[in-house]
Amino acid sequence: QKEVEQNSGPLSVPEGAIASLNCTYSDRGSQSFFWYRQYSGKSPELIMFIYSNGDKEDGRFTAQLNKASQYVSLLIRDSQPSDSATYLCAVNGMGRRALTFGSGTRLQVQP
Amino acid sequence: DTEVTQTPKHLVMGMTNKKSLKCEQHMGHRAMYWYKQKAKKPPELMFVYSYEKLSINESVPSRFSPECPNSSLLNLHLHALQPEDSALYLCASSLEGQGTETQYFGPGTRLLVL
Repeated sequence: QKEVEQNSGPLSVPEGAIASLNCTYSDRGSQSFFWYRQYSGKSPELIMFIYSNGDKEDGRFTAQLNKASQYVSLLIRDSQPSDSATYLCAVNGMGRRALTFGSGTRLQVQP
Repeated sequence: DTEVTQTPKHLVMGMTNKKSLKCEQHMGHRAMYWYKQKAKKPPELMFVYSYEKLSINESVPSRFSPECPNSSLLNLHLHALQPEDSALYLCASSLEGQGTETQYFGPGTRLLVL
């Protein structure tokens, strides 16, 4: 079992729809959770981070964390073609010095 | 300002060459990281420096040699690389190197080894 799992996609949604990206993790000691967006050929760009159970909203983005289910998600409202990218889920915790990445989900927003 | 800069943007080198990648941040961060990313794969950790000391070396071949001259600078010296080392090399930084911190990535250096 991989430490951080994501569906590789592609996830295809029409412009204006809600895109829902999911991630599960295996280490119950994980404490911090990050979503990075990566355009093809570019470096990862931080979108959201979340530490506590529940929802965290920032503009069109909402991160959701459920530690009991070991599940973190990213919702993108009013999806735009410019949101088309690979979204990387990353997990970290005390005692670890580096992020553990999922393999990423490719999102395609159709105009 | 959450900027990490990397130079060069692109690098082509032969298997006998010696080259260096450079990374710089002025956010006051004390932890810096090197990652390697192959196409359609997530970044893989190579090295971590915390307070200018190497704290993690993920069994990286000795043809990759990191250096942290001060808390703002991180270098990766390359020597006798193989074609399979061609990848995007990413530098990141975070506040102190504790597990819960946010890491900020630079734009990367795309390396091609011929």
